Amino acid sequence: RKEVEQDPGPFNVPEGATVAFNCTYSNSASQSFFWYRQDCRKEPKLLMSVYSSGNEDGRFTAQLNRASQYISLLIRDSKLSDSATYLCVVNMRDDMRFGAGTRLTVKP
Amino acid sequence: GAGVSQSPRYKVTKRGQDVALRCDPISGHVSLYWYRQALGQGPEFLTYFNYEAQQDKSGLPNDRFSAERPEGSISTLTIQRTEQRDSAMYRCASSLARQGQMSTGELFFGEGSRLTVL
Repeated sequence: RKEVEQDPGPFNVPEGATVAFNCTYSNSASQSFFWYRQDCRKEPKLLMSVYSSGNEDGRFTAQLNRASQYISLLIRDSKLSDSATYLCVVNMRDDMRFGAGTRLTVKP
Repeated sequence: GAGVSQSPRYKVTKRGQDVALRCDPISGHVSLYWYRQALGQGPEFLTYFNYEAQQDKSGLPNDRFSAERPEGSISTLTIQRTEQRDSAMYRCASSLARQGQMSTGELFFGEGSRLTVL
């Protein structure tokens, strides 16, 4: 089983749609969780951290379920500029492991 | 510069040659990570350092791969006797994380070194 698993997609959605991505992780001792965004041919960049209580940043909401070892990212009111690959990242101490990414395309 | 710098940006080599990829992290960043990324895949963990100490090299595919960070700053990833399957984007990232403490999670990546083995 992979350490971090994501649905690869692709997700093709119209502008304004709400889309959700899921991620599962195998190591129950994992301590912190993040979503990164990667644009085509670019390096990954931090989108947001994921806290146990759930957290929101504008149109983006991240949630964590430790019991199920599950992380989610919800994007509301999708914009064309949201088109990218979204990477789930799990940190056990300082060892950062990435999922394979979920590709999102937002269309006019 | 202010960001993570990697060199060379592109490297084309023949099978069997050795290559060395360099990473210059953001000044003051304690942790340095090496990843390999194939097209359409997420970054695959190779190894990481806190200061000059290599903390985890479990992701290195085999003993042809090695990494060092002798002075706790610049790091070199070396691939000996390259094979075609080594072709990929090699990414370096640094963070402010301190040894034994939780990382903030913000890794700052360089632009990568694209390796092509013919």
